[in-house]
Amino acid sequence: EAEVAQSPRYKITEKSQAVAFWCDPISGHATLYWYRQILGQGPELLVQFQDESVVDDSQLPKDRFSAERLKGVDSTLKIQPAELGDSAMYLCASSRNRGGTEAFFGQGTRLTVV
Amino acid sequence: AQKITQTQPGMFVQEKEAVTLDCTYDTSDPSYGLFWYKQPSSGEMIFLIYQGSYDQQNATEGRYSLNFQKARKSANLVISASQLGDSAMYFCAMSRNQGGKLIFGQGTELSVKP
Repeated sequence: EAEVAQSPRYKITEKSQAVAFWCDPISGHATLYWYRQILGQGPELLVQFQDESVVDDSQLPKDRFSAERLKGVDSTLKIQPAELGDSAMYLCASSRNRGGTEAFFGQGTRLTVV
Repeated sequence: AQKITQTQPGMFVQEKEAVTLDCTYDTSDPSYGLFWYKQPSSGEMIFLIYQGSYDQQNATEGRYSLNFQKARKSANLVISASQLGDSAMYFCAMSRNQGGKLIFGQGTELSVKP
């Protein structure tokens, strides 16, 4: 069964360091999402891609976060410099198209900033 | 703006009994989609069920059914014949135009007792 792959599963980093997360969506899925989930809360969208283009990054803290999906397939989310408040689960999801009714999620990357 | 409200932080249910998880939503869009996801302690978000705003009948998927009351703006999840493996966080979410980015509620933690 096709899955959304994310790595690493867990990451511990010191504040002010750079950190990067990788996501490989289900093959053929044009839409890719990065969500952040703070402990005890629901996920919130950081950025949405349609193929290689950013559709929505209104909630992405652009002073420290960046995201790319250069060939319209896999994607990287970067934080530089990391802050204590960035500790969270980072979830990647994909759907077949922008109006797809079902988004499939990866297992997430749990980030701890110390 | 769209909003999802889940008022039950935690719920307990006896194994083999049915349980209802509450979800209310707020939107001014005529077309929207409503989703329920399950998140076990391992972190991944598992899609359970979907209801489109124009769907006349309540959605069902195996032991899951969605009690959609449009006038009341509620989309409660009913799990029949609860199993120990149902213990997890459950999130209600909505999207515009029945697809696209998801707005999540705060979640309900369900515990199934043997």
